[in-house]
Amino acid sequence: ETGVTQSPTHLIKTRGQQVTLRCSSQSGHNTVSWYQQALGQGPQFIFQYYREEENGRGNFPPRFSGLQFPNYSSELNVNALELDDSALYLCASSLGPYGPQHFGDGTRLSIL
Amino acid sequence: GQQLNQSPQSMFIQEGEDVSMNCTSSSIFNTWLWYKQEPGEGPVLLIALYKAGELTSNGRLTAQFGITRKDSFLNISASIPSDVGIYFCAGPKNSNSGYALNFGKGTSLLVTP
Repeated sequence: ETGVTQSPTHLIKTRGQQVTLRCSSQSGHNTVSWYQQALGQGPQFIFQYYREEENGRGNFPPRFSGLQFPNYSSELNVNALELDDSALYLCASSLGPYGPQHFGDGTRLSIL
Repeated sequence: GQQLNQSPQSMFIQEGEDVSMNCTSSSIFNTWLWYKQEPGEGPVLLIALYKAGELTSNGRLTAQFGITRKDSFLNISASIPSDVGIYFCAGPKNSNSGYALNFGKGTSLLVTP
């Protein structure tokens, strides 16, 4: 069974730039959720994708957007990067929106 | 929002000791999840609880879903150095939806040999 994989593992960007993070769900899972984890905090929900559509969104501005593909993989896009966007971005997959979520190891994004 | 409060914030114990940590909320949850996160890795699901009063074990780990549905406990027996990490409790954002997890701030566990 293949677990959740995320790429890249680390990324450095400057303010104002755009970034795309990628996630492959665990085999058999059709739902992907994205979280932002600041240093010393628990993960904060960004949004969830199910059946290629956004299925719920947390308190994040519209410059955070996403996609889900037919193979259930997903992308997180962030435009107009700000210093506060520096964080670990975690992807979690589940069987359906209500299933237990299993996380990847995240992408560490640093904004200079 | 549905805030989850974890205590203690950190623990520093000796190998072999038992550990107990808890998670409380002002709101009712229908599901409680416990995750462990090690440095450089994502959270790993340890135990899932779905019913008030439920007591579930996973090896040396035991977790309970509080009767009031506003709290949960995680116990680790006979701790070992590889238990080091941050333990998070999590529950769905609201009682009518299971799609978003709300996390506590975590309990950091250090175990000395």
